[in-house]
Amino acid sequence: GAVVSQHPSRVICKSGTSVKIECRSLDFQATTMFWYRQFPKKSLMLMATSNEGSKATYEQGVEKDKFLINHASLTLSTLTVTSAHPEDSSFYICSASPLAGAHSYEQYFGPGTRLTVT
Amino acid sequence: GQNIDQPTEMTATEGAIVQINCTYQTSGFNGLFWYQQHAGEAPTFLSYNVLDGLEEKGRFSSFLSRSKGYSYLLLKELQMKDSASYLCAVPSPDKLIFGTGTRLQVFP
Repeated sequence: GAVVSQHPSRVICKSGTSVKIECRSLDFQATTMFWYRQFPKKSLMLMATSNEGSKATYEQGVEKDKFLINHASLTLSTLTVTSAHPEDSSFYICSASPLAGAHSYEQYFGPGTRLTVT
Repeated sequence: GQNIDQPTEMTATEGAIVQINCTYQTSGFNGLFWYQQHAGEAPTFLSYNVLDGLEEKGRFSSFLSRSKGYSYLLLKELQMKDSASYLCAVPSPDKLIFGTGTRLQVFP
């Protein structure tokens, strides 16, 4: 149980275009979803936390107009990288939690999406 | 604030034992997680410690000392497939804060 999928697993896009990444919880309802990015040989950095039906909470330094997050249902969250630039190339990982608030650290990770902007 | 420290890199030999340390400073404590991450893949859960002491799970064990703000992950009978990054993470309180990760390379 507790499977999280991401789509696509890899994407290459041209500079200036937008890319949408989907994160789905397959066998549980994800009250809270998290989006991370990870640069090569670095640790995971939290970008934002989203709760179903409400606006995402972005971490300091993350542009909310550039990284659009939509948590439209209890099983789906999307991250859209708008007007992508080469420096947005990274590994994007989502995670989902069946819990909210102080216990949402119980997280299940998706397989990640490798974004390359040319 | 929160601060989590791990060694950046470690090497070990197949069949050996390796200990990966993690020290943390948090306001409040809700346990400590260890994850394994192979290159290009998502983290996979290894352990969650909330009480002091050693918890053993097969070849992997995790230790916690809350008074010292210290944890370690012990890997026994190392195999080549154990070459990966090992991340410790603490809840803070409604999100996970990850350490820098320790890249472990196992040599034959």
